[in-house]
Amino acid sequence: ETGVTQTPRHLVMGMTNKKSLKCEQHLGHNAMYWYKQSAKKPLELMFVYNFKEQTENNSVPSRFSPECPNSSHLFLHLHTLQPEDSALYLCASSLDPALQGDENTEAFFGQGTRLTVV
Amino acid sequence: GQNIDQPTEMTATEGAIVQINCTYQTSGFNGLFWYQQHAGEAPTFLSYNVLDGLEEKGRFSSFLSRSKGYSYLLLKELQMKDSASYLCAVRDSNYQLIWGAGTKLIIKP
Repeated sequence: ETGVTQTPRHLVMGMTNKKSLKCEQHLGHNAMYWYKQSAKKPLELMFVYNFKEQTENNSVPSRFSPECPNSSHLFLHLHTLQPEDSALYLCASSLDPALQGDENTEAFFGQGTRLTVV
Repeated sequence: GQNIDQPTEMTATEGAIVQINCTYQTSGFNGLFWYQQHAGEAPTFLSYNVLDGLEEKGRFSSFLSRSKGYSYLLLKELQMKDSASYLCAVRDSNYQLIWGAGTKLIIKP
């Protein structure tokens, strides 16, 4: 257990569906992240939230919509996805390295949601 | 652009030592991380280097040379449970993590 919980673990959805991924952390972290992990590719950072404010949006298509209602919860809303969006979606949290300095700012990851778009 | 390079796959024998290399070119440097990821599981933190030199943690050690843009992860006394992917990541000047594609390590008896 990493202290970061993601649900669901697996999701199959059609291209016209709307679904949401959920992430929860109780580590007292103030930064939360969504990553996309595809086979044999580097982790792709999608969104960053610091103290509930979105600070990064790495040119992610609008069919992915994040929501951060508080510093412990993070959602990724999905709609009209494409088959190429099939991947492992990982949530992570950390102390904000820009504020904390170097120490103890490693990211803790959830188990991920394996998404298949059909 | 920013780039992290590490071998795609390595094979080693149980009980042996293996070194996984990582080279990087990033906009600034605020530390280098190694993570372990077993198939179907979350990446878990292994080590962090921000100054040049060797950091040792039990069977695992990580080395950094900032002038060469180079790091390695050294795993000693390999066990079957060490079979996993090892991810190298560099924190850039904007405090964002730039990730390598990972090295899949296969341990044979």
